[in-house]
This record gives sequence, C-alpha cells and structure tokens, in this order.
Amino acid sequence: IAGITQAPTSQILAAGRRMTLRCTQDMRHNAMYWYRQDLGLGLRLIHYSNTAGTTGKGEVPDGYSVSRANTDDFPLTLASAVPSQTSVYFCASSDRAGLFTGELFFGEGSRLTVL
Amino acid sequence: AQSVTQPDIHITVSEGASLELRCNYSYGATPYLFWYVQSPGQGLQLLLKYFSGDTLVQGIKGFEAEFKRSQSSFNLRKPSVHWSDAAEYFCAVGANTGTASKLTFGTGTRLQVTL
Repeated sequence: IAGITQAPTSQILAAGRRMTLRCTQDMRHNAMYWYRQDLGLGLRLIHYSNTAGTTGKGEVPDGYSVSRANTDDFPLTLASAVPSQTSVYFCASSDRAGLFTGELFFGEGSRLTVL
Repeated sequence: AQSVTQPDIHITVSEGASLELRCNYSYGATPYLFWYVQSPGQGLQLLLKYFSGDTLVQGIKGFEAEFKRSQSSFNLRKPSVHWSDAAEYFCAVGANTGTASKLTFGTGTRLQVTL
C-alpha cells in the first residue's frame, strides 16, 4: 500500500542520547515535512523540504536537524534529546500541486518519550 | 502571519445528531482552508478543503464546511453523526505563498459520540 512509513512507532530514550526518526514515502512526492503534536498545542512544523537536496526551518526547529538526500527519505535527528522533546512526531508529504494547496499525506506517527 | 482558532477542545454528541465544529482563522488575504481528521493512533487524513469558488464544500464521510469571509470562519458540519466519527478534528489554514510550509493547524477538537 502506497504511503508514508515512519519508524520507530514508539521509543523511550534517555536524555542526552542521539535519536533519528525515519520517514520514507513511496508516492514520489516532492515535499516532505516533520510535525510534532503536543496536547493543547496541535501540530507544529519542525522542518520541511520542498524538494530533494533542500530543507527549511519550521516553527519549532531548535534541537532538531533533517536531511533530504533523495526524494523518498526524510529523517529527523535529535542530536541530544531533552525531556521537552517528548512528543508524537508526524512525517507528511505533498506532491507538486500540494506545494500550492497545502494538502498533506501523513504517516502514522512516532511516539517519543525522553526521560 | 496566519493563525487558526478552534474554540472547542472537546465536544460530545449523540449518534444521529447533527454536528458543527467551529474554526476561525486569521489571514490577510484569501486563505486556503482545510479540515483534517485524526483517528486514535493514526495520522491525519484530509476531510475537505477550500481554495476558491463555492463557499460550501463537500468532503469525505458526509462532511461539509462553509467558508464565511465576513466571519473569518470555516465551520465543519455533518447532518447525522455516526459512532465511527469519534476522532480529533483539526482545522488548518495555508497561506497563498506557493509553499505548503506555511500550513498552520489549530489545536484540535476532540469529538466523542455517545450511543
């Protein structure tokens, strides 16, 4: 089934550890995004990539980094995790038309707990 | 900058009753408006969208929404709610800048359906 695959589904992590959340899409979408979802705050954009080889900062980029080496993959790295990064992380993508319409396709999320 | 307000954090309706979820936005130009639904443990799925034209838009699962420029609102409605509609609903606004990185989500409304 075509779509977005995120891994891991859930992870408990000690503070200070490095963590990479993986995201792969098989829809050949140009744009990809990472959001975090927190209770009472909705979804906030962390980083985005409009096309392979380019990335940009969203609303809450501090403490996170991304790369876009190819069209399909968009990993999110926490270099040194802190408890405030406990959240549910969603990867999303949109096709070229979606860049101008905002229509996003979402993965099922990665629940991260930092202790 | 654009913003979205969903004033109702939690709503409970009986199965078969009508539903209206409120959404107010702030944006200086004509916005792109969206409603997404998130079932428990899942990613977000697009319900419907408004870009231009007819201000009453139809979406999937029997939902509709009406864009009212004078009220800066984009309320979601359904004439008869089903138990499977229990989920969290997010309103979102996209700026017409040619990039979906400007998509801003509201904080969500959790819908509970009683039998």
